Amino acid sequence: DAKTTQPTSMDCAEGRAANLPCNHSTISGNEYVYWYRQIHSQGPQYIIHGLKNNETNEMASLIITEDRKSSTLILPHATLRDTAVYYCIVNNAGNMLTFGGGTRLMVKP
Amino acid sequence: KAGVTQTPRYLIKTRGQQVTLSCSPISGHRSVSWYQQTPGQGLQFLFEYFSETQRNKGNFPGRFSGRQFSNSRSEMNVSTLELGDSALYLCASSRLAGVSDTQYFGPGTRLTVL
Repeated sequence: DAKTTQPTSMDCAEGRAANLPCNHSTISGNEYVYWYRQIHSQGPQYIIHGLKNNETNEMASLIITEDRKSSTLILPHATLRDTAVYYCIVNNAGNMLTFGGGTRLMVKP
Repeated sequence: KAGVTQTPRYLIKTRGQQVTLSCSPISGHRSVSWYQQTPGQGLQFLFEYFSETQRNKGNFPGRFSGRQFSNSRSEMNVSTLELGDSALYLCASSRLAGVSDTQYFGPGTRLTVL
């Protein structure tokens, strides 16, 4: 699986959009970009995934650059409950996910 | 529908003992994967089972083993426990194996080895 690079931590004001970047410059053509988050000591929660096109669901939007070397997870209106560690993962190998260190997002009132 | 369930949620064992953890996947999911999470190593893949067969295994010693039953429920076993085995053990399920399919995680079992 391709390696991902994420900032270690980020802050966001409550009610504002949180934009979490991820670099995956060595991604191959058949690798998906997945985002999970983990709230303290709970199991990771699936957020969204995509291959080439931008994706949106009820939780977030995923913007993938045209060259697919980076992506951004957008939480449109962050709340305190969005405080968590966010993991960006690229995957084509089925169910052997490789987690990096993730980004610790702190949403502040 | 119900999510992934793991039992027990918390467990305390002493060095040298063995432990068995259980995971029930989402209904209709046939792949179950196990992960270990520690503060030092983060989240690491242990193994994956699909149709009662181990498909993939991470870089863990043979003390860590697992199995899957015909109803897709899975158990993992750790023998001769060491202090370093203290961790959050997570189970994840998905419908398919061998392709990129979304995995859904359970709440985890917190194992403490004294």
